[in-house]
Amino acid sequence: EVQLVESGGDLVQPGRSLRLSCAASGFTFDDYAMHWVRQAPGKGLEWVSGISWNSGSIGYADSVKGRFTISRDNAKNSLYLQMNSLRAEDTALYYCAKDINYGENDGYFDYWGQGTLVTVSS
Amino acid sequence: EIVLTQSPGTLSLSPGERATLSCRASQSVRSSYLAWYQQKPGQAPRLLIYGASSRATGIPDRFSGSGSGTDFTLTISRLEPEDFAVFYCQQYGNSPRTFGQGTKVEIK
Repeated sequence: EVQLVESGGDLVQPGRSLRLSCAASGFTFDDYAMHWVRQAPGKGLEWVSGISWNSGSIGYADSVKGRFTISRDNAKNSLYLQMNSLRAEDTALYYCAKDINYGENDGYFDYWGQGTLVTVSS
Repeated sequence: EIVLTQSPGTLSLSPGERATLSCRASQSVRSSYLAWYQQKPGQAPRLLIYGASSRATGIPDRFSGSGSGTDFTLTISRLEPEDFAVFYCQQYGNSPRTFGQGTKVEIK
């Protein structure tokens, strides 16, 4: 059974940093691209970032480019999102999602975690 | 980036009725790379449809997808009580991937 378990969400002040993690199990992690998708309270879904199976291809939404860094450790079956210079508008539930492809730029998401909540407020 | 516009915003229907949800893209979606997801309150999104018309594993056949180019439709032939939720379309043929704003299907 595929499982994606996010962690690391917290209440942080604007301008501070946070690192999210996603632990994957139930599939061959290094065969697939992985993504972060967020959902602000009461709002829709927004793709944040994606990374290919071997970290060779990475993409970011314009809203987070230059502030967020996605990475993965295939030996640990884990996905990460380093979030710097956080803003109030980054407040959201952050989901980890598995791609159906190994590349990060043309697949859909067949499994999602339950999300970890990031709140940016003073 | 491709903007996806879903309509209507809310659909009020009774169990047993047919639901028709629309997703319109601001430009043609490459190779019909269009997916639909269902999200219930407090839950993560669940994949329903990919490639505009292919059902994901375990999805009942009352869910069907159609369309190409810029116009796509999700149809639920007969609504079951567990189908009431918010539905999102997503295009994955162009970077960045984008989602529609969602259609809520609520019990009338």
